[in-house]
Amino acid sequence: GAVVSQHPSWVICKSGTSVKIECRSLDFQATTMFWYRQFPKQSLMLMATSNEGSKATYEQGVEKDKFLINHASLTLSTLTVTSAHPEDSSFYICSAFRDRVNSPLHFGNGTRLTVT
Amino acid sequence: DAKTTQPTSMDCAEGRAANLPCNHSTISGNEYVYWYRQIHSQGPQYIIHGLKNNETNEMASLIITEDRKSSTLILPHATLRDTAVYYCIVAGGTSYGKLTFGQGTILTVHP
Repeated sequence: GAVVSQHPSWVICKSGTSVKIECRSLDFQATTMFWYRQFPKQSLMLMATSNEGSKATYEQGVEKDKFLINHASLTLSTLTVTSAHPEDSSFYICSAFRDRVNSPLHFGNGTRLTVT
Repeated sequence: DAKTTQPTSMDCAEGRAANLPCNHSTISGNEYVYWYRQIHSQGPQYIIHGLKNNETNEMASLIITEDRKSSTLILPHATLRDTAVYYCIVAGGTSYGKLTFGQGTILTVHP
């Protein structure tokens, strides 16, 4: 069964508004979670690494002020897309692994964001 | 992370074995080979991983060559529900978790 839960599955918002996406590890504690983004017909791209109790680290080209990440507990990370624009429409996917060396990364089912 | 090369697409008949190859000639000693698949509009699903020995689980088998420069994912009895994009990824060490997804192999299982 799913070990990483993501909510919502899909969301439609108006341009200029903010959207929050939640990612939960269901049966383990995750000090680190990862946020990926996937545009249509493209592969997944890592956006940022979410660290419990500290600031997230962002990949090159990802605006940290636009994609706010909060990892306030060992089972929850949130991604907020601020002042969303149509070009932010994408499939956002979170992932986490149990804190064991080389254990597999488990992915949530993704959130389809459409900005109108 | 080492780069991987996979065929763009493959076909397989339902009930037959699907053998998906992957080249990773620049893999380093501490990197594992991971296989994931993504069914349309879903998050990637973990399938199997290995370091140098062959591995088998309830979903698939992973065959890694002795020099570790290539591997093959085997789905022993493919079903229509196995139609997906299959990603071969090598990762390990301090960069683990920051998976680099290539374009993967689109596997189509047909009746």
